[in-house]
Amino acid sequence: KAGVTQTPRYLIKTRGQQVTLSCSPISGHRSVSWYQQTPGQGLQFLFEYFSETQRNKGNFPGRFSGRQFSNSRSEMNVSTLELGDSALYLCASSEGTSGYRSTDTQYFGPGTRLTVL
Amino acid sequence: GENVEQHPSTLSVQEGDSAVIKCTYSDSASNYFPWYKQELGKRPQLIIDIRSNVGEKKDQRIAVTLNKTAKHFSLHITETQPEDSAVYFCAGVTGYALNFGKGTSLLVTP
Repeated sequence: KAGVTQTPRYLIKTRGQQVTLSCSPISGHRSVSWYQQTPGQGLQFLFEYFSETQRNKGNFPGRFSGRQFSNSRSEMNVSTLELGDSALYLCASSEGTSGYRSTDTQYFGPGTRLTVL
Repeated sequence: GENVEQHPSTLSVQEGDSAVIKCTYSDSASNYFPWYKQELGKRPQLIIDIRSNVGEKKDQRIAVTLNKTAKHFSLHITETQPEDSAVYFCAGVTGYALNFGKGTSLLVTP
């Protein structure tokens, strides 16, 4: 099976702009999670979607949002970009069927490197 | 939510030696603990995981141990090789989210 893919791989934006990142999960996976990776904060959970519904949300401001489509592909959007939003944004997919306190293996995509100037 | 702490932040070993990375977690109800390896410029990849119904799991040179009473789990790499050099992350689960430790940068020198 093809792995998790993310587009674009690199983005450069300026403060105040907005950005949309895309993630295509492994075929058959219905759960998509998003994480932000920075040198200072490490890997932090943003949100998780399953069958087009957000089931879990991390501690990020409302400028960060996401959605999932019927084919399980997911997008995340960041509005009013700030310098501190510069990071590697990773998505991960899993089957999503093991319930709360999920024990499903999460497979990561290559990430989108966002630079905010 | 789950709080995962990971130590050490950096670890340097000679090729052939063993490496041990330790993590503690706060939520006694946590039941799944994966370990990811991230090489420079690449995506995190799962190397081993353990569920709370077992105390130890081994896969060739890699093993993970879990102590539910003390709420800590450890990654053991034996006979280290230069290609083991990477950043290793432990994680616990809250709901559907992975809560990661800060990572351990492992350097294996020939």
